[in-house]
Amino acid sequence: ELKVEQNPLFLSMQEGKNYTIYCNYSTTSDRLYWYRQDPGKSLESLFVLLSNGAVKQEGRLMASLDTKARLSTLHITAAVHDLSATYFCAVDNAGNNRKLIWGLGTSLAVNP
Amino acid sequence: EAEVAQSPRYKITEKSQAVAFWCDPISGHATLYWYRQILGQGPELLVQFQDESVVDDSQLPKDRFSAERLKGVDSTLKIQPAELGDSAMYLCASSLGFLGSGANVLTFGAGSRLTVL
Repeated sequence: ELKVEQNPLFLSMQEGKNYTIYCNYSTTSDRLYWYRQDPGKSLESLFVLLSNGAVKQEGRLMASLDTKARLSTLHITAAVHDLSATYFCAVDNAGNNRKLIWGLGTSLAVNP
Repeated sequence: EAEVAQSPRYKITEKSQAVAFWCDPISGHATLYWYRQILGQGPELLVQFQDESVVDDSQLPKDRFSAERLKGVDSTLKIQPAELGDSAMYLCASSLGFLGSGANVLTFGAGSRLTVL
């Protein structure tokens, strides 16, 4: 059974700093998604990573996927307050009955 | 930009009452998902439809929850009777095709927040 683990679960950082969120998963998968959720709001798609070595960037966020290590990272560069949100990774279980298995989320607070 | 519509946005009900949520996916999206998200946790899939057929309802508590997508377009999720533990955000999402087919991103609606008293 696929399990998805994110760390850290909570992250408080200063504006202008860099940091990385990690998403580990337990069994083989060929695609991974990152979503953002603002408090009380719905989920917004950030990135879809479809192959080993895939790297996607949007603004101050960059996501990468290493399928051999079963690891994805979401790197934040020069954080700003607007990036404060909860970030989820979700992994396609790639089984006969495909579905996304979600991590618990990383709650990010960017402080001035 | 196309959106997934959900209603109601907020619902407060007493336990043992019936409650229903409605979802209208993005036009042309064949796959529809209902998720439950408890505060502080990730979404949990309740049911997945491909057109009007249920693909996965293994996590749906079928003694009290039901879901339908009769014409393969909009969908209703019902809870009867509601229990205190059902308090959560109920999220509907849709995608063009199955997971595993291309990028196939799930687009989520704004959600329906349920409070059971």
